Amino acid sequence: QKEVEQNSGPLSVPEGAIASLNCTYSDRGSQSFFWYRQYSGKSPELIMSIYSNGDKEDGRFTAQLNKASQYVSLLIRDSQPSDSATYLCAVNTYNYGQNFVFGPGTRLSVLP
Amino acid sequence: DADVTQTPRNRITKTGKRIMLECSQTKGHDRMYWYRQDPGLGLRLIYYSFDVKDINKGEISDGYSVSRQAQAKFSLSLESAIPNQTALYFCATSDLVVAGGEQFFGPGTRLTVL
Repeated sequence: QKEVEQNSGPLSVPEGAIASLNCTYSDRGSQSFFWYRQYSGKSPELIMSIYSNGDKEDGRFTAQLNKASQYVSLLIRDSQPSDSATYLCAVNTYNYGQNFVFGPGTRLSVLP
Repeated sequence: DADVTQTPRNRITKTGKRIMLECSQTKGHDRMYWYRQDPGLGLRLIYYSFDVKDINKGEISDGYSVSRQAQAKFSLSLESAIPNQTALYFCATSDLVVAGGEQFFGPGTRLTVL
């Protein structure tokens, strides 16, 4: 089992819809969870971080964490074509000095 | 000016050549990282450094070496490049004080080994 798993997509949603991105992880000791957005050929940029069970909202973005189920998700409300990108889930792990393991990413396409 | 810079941005080299990728940061962070990204595989950690005297192997260190010349500089070397090292390479930094904190990425170096 890979340490961090995501559906590779592509996930296609119409403009204005809610996009739901999912991530599961294997290290039960993980404490920090991040969602990065990466446009093609560009570097990842942080859009959300979450540390506690429950929901965290920031504008159109909501991160949801369930440590018991080892599951973290990202919801994007009112999706815009500019949200079309690859979304990377990152989870800290006690391997490699408590650094982060990244999932393979989910490619999101928002259709006008 | 960018906080994390990488040089070169693009590099084409031949099998067996030695090359160095350089990373500099002005964020004042202690932690620096080198990742490679391949299609469908996400970002994989090559090496990381928590300070100038601390160098650690990551998930995929074979075939690579690093040097932390100063707090602000972290270089990645491929001693004898091979075609399967063709990838997008990212340098990143993070703040040691804020444990589990955000990583800031450089713009990336696209490396092609022929």
